[in-house]
Amino acid sequence: GAGVSQSPSNKVTEKGKDVELRCDPISGHTALYWYRQSLGQGLEFLIYFQGNSAPDKSGLPSDRFSAERTGGSVSTLTIQRTQQEDSAVYLCASSSRPGRALGEQFFGPGTRLTVL
Amino acid sequence: KNEVEQSPQNLTAQEGEFITINCSYSVGISALHWLQQHPGGGIVSLFMLSSGKKKHGRLIATINIQEKHSSLHITASHPRDSAVYICAVIKGETSGSRLTFGEGTQLTVNP
Repeated sequence: GAGVSQSPSNKVTEKGKDVELRCDPISGHTALYWYRQSLGQGLEFLIYFQGNSAPDKSGLPSDRFSAERTGGSVSTLTIQRTQQEDSAVYLCASSSRPGRALGEQFFGPGTRLTVL
Repeated sequence: KNEVEQSPQNLTAQEGEFITINCSYSVGISALHWLQQHPGGGIVSLFMLSSGKKKHGRLIATINIQEKHSSLHITASHPRDSAVYICAVIKGETSGSRLTFGEGTQLTVNP
Protein backbone atom coordinates (compact mmCIF):
# COMPACT_ATOMS: atom_id res chain seq x y z
CA GLY A 1 0.00 0.00 0.00
CA ALA A 2 1.01 3.65 -0.34
CA GLY A 3 3.20 5.11 2.33
CA VAL A 4 3.51 8.68 3.51
CA SER A 5 4.23 11.02 0.61
CA GLN A 6 5.59 14.53 0.67
CA SER A 7 5.91 17.21 -1.94
CA PRO A 8 7.95 18.79 -3.26
CA SER A 9 10.97 16.59 -2.68
CA ASN A 10 13.23 19.60 -3.04
CA LYS A 11 12.50 23.29 -2.73
CA VAL A 12 14.89 26.15 -3.29
CA THR A 13 13.62 29.57 -2.38
CA GLU A 14 14.90 33.06 -1.79
CA LYS A 15 15.10 34.58 1.65
CA GLY A 16 11.88 36.35 2.51
CA LYS A 17 9.61 34.22 0.34
CA ASP A 18 6.84 32.02 1.69
CA VAL A 19 6.86 28.25 1.11
CA GLU A 20 4.30 25.49 1.49
CA LEU A 21 5.22 21.89 2.11
CA ARG A 22 2.68 19.14 1.69
CA CYS A 23 2.24 15.81 3.42
CA ASP A 24 -0.14 13.01 2.45
CA PRO A 25 -0.32 10.53 5.34
CA ILE A 26 -1.16 6.88 5.10
CA SER A 27 -4.89 6.50 4.53
CA GLY A 28 -6.73 6.00 7.80
CA HIS A 29 -3.92 7.28 10.01
CA THR A 30 -5.37 9.77 12.45
CA ALA A 31 -2.11 11.15 13.83
CA LEU A 32 0.27 13.29 11.77
CA TYR A 33 3.60 14.75 12.82
CA TRP A 34 5.99 17.26 11.30
CA TYR A 35 9.69 17.08 12.19
CA ARG A 36 12.72 19.00 10.98
CA GLN A 37 16.31 17.88 10.46
CA SER A 38 18.76 20.70 10.03
CA LEU A 39 22.14 20.08 8.44
CA GLY A 40 24.47 18.40 10.88
CA GLN A 41 21.83 18.37 13.59
CA GLY A 42 19.37 15.89 14.93
CA LEU A 43 15.67 15.65 14.33
CA GLU A 44 13.33 17.97 16.18
CA PHE A 45 9.57 17.91 16.63
CA LEU A 46 7.54 20.73 15.10
CA ILE A 47 3.80 20.02 15.31
CA TYR A 48 1.36 17.15 15.90
CA PHE A 49 -2.22 16.66 14.70
CA GLN A 50 -4.60 14.09 16.12
CA GLY A 51 -8.06 13.77 14.62
CA ASN A 52 -10.19 16.83 15.32
CA SER A 53 -8.27 17.85 18.43
CA ALA A 54 -6.35 21.11 18.63
CA PRO A 55 -2.84 20.54 17.27
CA ASP A 56 0.20 20.46 19.54
CA LYS A 57 2.22 23.37 18.16
CA SER A 58 4.78 23.44 20.94
CA GLY A 59 7.70 22.61 18.64
CA LEU A 60 7.21 25.38 16.10
CA PRO A 61 10.33 27.58 16.27
CA SER A 62 8.63 30.89 15.49
CA ASP A 63 5.33 32.43 14.46
CA ARG A 64 6.52 32.33 10.85
CA PHE A 65 5.73 28.62 10.94
CA SER A 66 2.18 27.32 10.74
CA ALA A 67 0.49 24.12 9.69
CA GLU A 68 -2.96 22.90 8.95
CA ARG A 69 -4.56 19.58 8.31
CA THR A 70 -7.65 19.57 6.16
CA GLY A 71 -10.30 16.90 6.48
CA GLY A 72 -8.14 14.89 8.82
CA SER A 73 -5.86 13.88 5.97
CA VAL A 74 -3.49 16.07 3.97
CA SER A 75 -1.35 18.54 5.91
CA THR A 76 0.44 21.68 4.76
CA LEU A 77 3.35 23.24 6.61
CA THR A 78 3.77 26.91 5.74
CA ILE A 79 6.87 28.97 6.42
CA GLN A 80 6.46 32.68 5.92
CA ARG A 81 9.29 35.10 5.19
CA THR A 82 11.82 32.28 5.02
CA GLN A 83 15.24 32.73 6.58
CA GLN A 84 18.47 30.89 5.81
CA GLU A 85 18.28 29.09 9.14
CA ASP A 86 15.03 27.48 7.93
CA SER A 87 17.06 25.38 5.49
CA ALA A 88 16.53 21.78 6.53
CA VAL A 89 14.83 18.54 5.61
CA TYR A 90 11.20 18.64 6.74
CA LEU A 91 9.82 15.21 7.53
CA CYS A 92 6.24 14.15 7.97
CA ALA A 93 5.14 11.01 9.78
CA SER A 94 1.78 9.42 10.42
CA SER A 95 0.51 6.91 12.92
CA SER A 96 -2.66 4.94 13.37
CA ARG A 97 -2.51 4.61 17.15
CA PRO A 98 -1.51 7.89 18.74
CA GLY A 99 -1.22 8.97 22.31
CA ARG A 100 -0.39 6.46 24.94
CA ALA A 101 -1.48 3.65 22.65
CA LEU A 102 2.07 3.90 21.32
CA GLY A 103 1.57 3.81 17.59
CA GLU A 104 4.49 3.17 15.29
CA GLN A 105 5.25 6.18 13.14
CA PHE A 106 5.73 5.89 9.38
CA PHE A 107 7.92 8.56 7.84
CA GLY A 108 7.69 10.25 4.48
CA PRO A 109 10.75 10.84 2.30
CA GLY A 110 11.03 14.47 3.39
CA THR A 111 11.22 17.82 1.65
CA ARG A 112 14.68 19.35 1.42
CA LEU A 113 14.27 23.12 1.77
CA THR A 114 17.11 25.42 0.81
CA VAL A 115 16.78 29.11 1.51
CA LEU A 116 19.27 31.20 -0.43
CA LYS B 1 22.58 17.81 28.34
CA ASN B 2 20.37 16.11 25.77
CA GLU B 3 17.49 14.10 27.12
CA VAL B 4 18.42 11.26 24.75
CA GLU B 5 22.06 10.38 24.24
CA GLN B 6 23.55 7.79 21.92
CA SER B 7 26.94 6.20 21.77
CA PRO B 8 29.05 5.93 19.83
CA GLN B 9 28.46 8.86 17.48
CA ASN B 10 30.38 7.07 14.74
CA LEU B 11 31.10 3.40 14.33
CA THR B 12 33.09 1.59 11.65
CA ALA B 13 32.97 -2.19 11.47
CA GLN B 14 34.07 -4.98 9.19
CA GLU B 15 31.49 -7.12 7.50
CA GLY B 16 30.37 -9.92 9.77
CA GLU B 17 31.08 -8.14 13.04
CA PHE B 18 28.59 -7.91 15.88
CA ILE B 19 27.56 -4.32 16.47
CA THR B 20 26.05 -2.59 19.47
CA ILE B 21 24.67 0.93 19.59
CA ASN B 22 23.63 2.35 22.94
CA CYS B 23 20.96 4.82 23.95
CA SER B 24 20.49 6.41 27.36
CA TYR B 25 17.70 8.76 28.31
CA SER B 26 17.07 10.97 31.30
CA VAL B 27 13.29 11.34 31.21
CA GLY B 28 10.36 9.08 31.93
CA ILE B 29 9.16 7.43 28.78
CA SER B 30 6.24 5.41 27.55
CA ALA B 31 8.10 3.91 24.59
CA LEU B 32 11.38 4.00 22.71
CA HIS B 33 11.95 3.76 18.97
CA TRP B 34 14.97 2.72 16.98
CA LEU B 35 15.00 4.32 13.53
CA GLN B 36 17.26 3.81 10.53
CA GLN B 37 18.10 6.64 8.15
CA HIS B 38 19.85 5.81 4.90
CA PRO B 39 21.82 8.24 2.73
CA GLY B 40 19.18 10.21 0.88
CA GLY B 41 17.29 10.76 4.10
CA GLY B 42 14.53 8.16 4.22
CA ILE B 43 13.69 7.07 7.76
CA VAL B 44 12.40 3.63 8.63
CA SER B 45 11.17 2.54 12.03
CA LEU B 46 13.02 -0.60 13.09
CA PHE B 47 11.58 -1.21 16.54
CA MET B 48 9.25 0.28 19.07
CA LEU B 49 9.85 -0.94 22.61
CA SER B 50 8.32 -0.36 25.99
CA SER B 51 9.95 -3.29 27.77
CA GLY B 52 12.13 -6.33 27.25
CA LYS B 53 13.55 -7.34 23.93
CA LYS B 54 12.53 -7.54 20.28
CA LYS B 55 14.18 -9.34 17.39
CA HIS B 56 13.76 -8.88 13.66
CA GLY B 57 16.11 -10.80 11.42
CA ARG B 58 19.66 -9.80 12.34
CA LEU B 59 18.51 -6.92 14.49
CA ILE B 60 17.87 -7.12 18.21
CA ALA B 61 16.69 -4.29 20.45
CA THR B 62 16.61 -4.35 24.21
CA ILE B 63 15.43 -1.89 26.80
CA ASN B 64 15.96 -1.62 30.56
CA ILE B 65 13.36 0.77 31.90
CA GLN B 66 14.89 0.92 35.40
CA GLU B 67 18.30 1.86 34.04
CA LYS B 68 16.86 4.11 31.30
CA HIS B 69 18.95 2.40 28.68
CA SER B 70 18.39 0.67 25.37
CA SER B 71 20.69 -1.12 22.97
CA LEU B 72 20.44 -1.98 19.30
CA HIS B 73 22.44 -4.98 18.20
CA ILE B 74 23.23 -6.05 14.65
CA THR B 75 24.52 -9.57 14.17
CA ALA B 76 26.59 -10.60 11.14
CA SER B 77 26.79 -7.00 9.93
CA HIS B 78 26.73 -6.27 6.21
CA PRO B 79 27.67 -3.19 4.17
CA ARG B 80 23.99 -2.59 3.46
CA ASP B 81 23.54 -1.97 7.21
CA SER B 82 25.53 1.25 6.75
CA ALA B 83 23.21 4.03 7.82
CA VAL B 84 22.46 6.42 10.66
CA TYR B 85 20.68 4.74 13.56
CA ILE B 86 18.54 7.01 15.68
CA CYS B 87 17.11 6.39 19.12
CA ALA B 88 13.91 8.30 19.89
CA VAL B 89 11.65 8.30 22.92
CA ILE B 90 8.05 9.14 23.63
CA LYS B 91 8.18 11.08 26.86
CA GLY B 92 5.73 9.82 29.43
CA GLU B 93 4.14 13.19 30.13
CA THR B 94 3.53 14.32 26.56
CA SER B 95 0.28 14.10 24.74
CA GLY B 96 0.32 12.19 21.51
CA SER B 97 3.35 10.18 20.53
CA ARG B 98 5.73 12.95 19.47
CA LEU B 99 9.31 11.76 19.42
CA THR B 100 12.36 13.20 21.14
CA PHE B 101 15.45 12.15 19.25
CA GLY B 102 19.03 11.27 19.97
CA GLU B 103 21.75 12.66 17.75
CA GLY B 104 22.13 9.41 15.84
CA THR B 105 24.96 6.94 15.31
CA GLN B 106 26.62 6.82 11.91
CA LEU B 107 27.43 3.18 11.15
CA THR B 108 29.75 2.20 8.33
CA VAL B 109 30.24 -1.47 7.57
CA ASN B 110 33.15 -2.18 5.27
CA PRO B 111 33.29 -5.27 3.05
